[in-house]
Amino acid sequence: DAKTTQPNSMESNEEEPVHLPCNHSTISGTDYIHWYRQLPSQGPEYVIHGLTSNVNNRMASLAIAEDRKSSTLILHRATLRDAAVYYCILRALGTGGSEKLVFGKGTKLTVNP
Amino acid sequence: DAGVTQSPTHLIKTRGQHVTLRCSPISGHKSVSWYQQVLGQGPQFIFQYYEKEERGRGNFPDRFSARQFPNYSSELNVNALLLGDSALYLCASSWETGREGYTFGSGTRLTVV
Repeated sequence: DAKTTQPNSMESNEEEPVHLPCNHSTISGTDYIHWYRQLPSQGPEYVIHGLTSNVNNRMASLAIAEDRKSSTLILHRATLRDAAVYYCILRALGTGGSEKLVFGKGTKLTVNP
Repeated sequence: DAGVTQSPTHLIKTRGQHVTLRCSPISGHKSVSWYQQVLGQGPQFIFQYYEKEERGRGNFPDRFSARQFPNYSSELNVNALLLGDSALYLCASSWETGREGYTFGSGTRLTVV
């Protein structure tokens, strides 16, 4: 399974931008890059995903390197509610049309008031 | 709209017992996946079902089984429980096979004593 590498933890101040990096040097051409976040005692929450081009939605932006070996999740203005574990995941397509998300350990984001 | 619903939310079982966990996907979602999350780790893929057929299986022993019903709800069964099966079990659903992001439930916290 293609794997991702993320820093264990990051800190940010409220209302400042946050850039969460992810390395995925073994990504294959058909792998989508997904980001999810998880608050304590909750299931993961979908944030954003992309293939090759940069993507924006109401929650965040995703910047994908030209060689696709790394990506960055951008939270434009961090709030206290953004404090969570952020997972960068490659959506691996298996045989027979099966798909699975391969989670790493994620980055624990702390937002300071 | 109701999100992904999982039941029960918590349960305690004894080693050697059997457990059944249930998941109701978002209305219209045909794909259901199961994940196991051990404390301090990211979720690990167990099964994926699409249109009532198993599409993928993770690296789990045969004690783990699942099925999907005509209404797309799903059950995860675990036989001969071990202490190491203690974890948060997450269900995720999507319209098709992950063409967009997955929606996760809040999980079932299983404790084996």
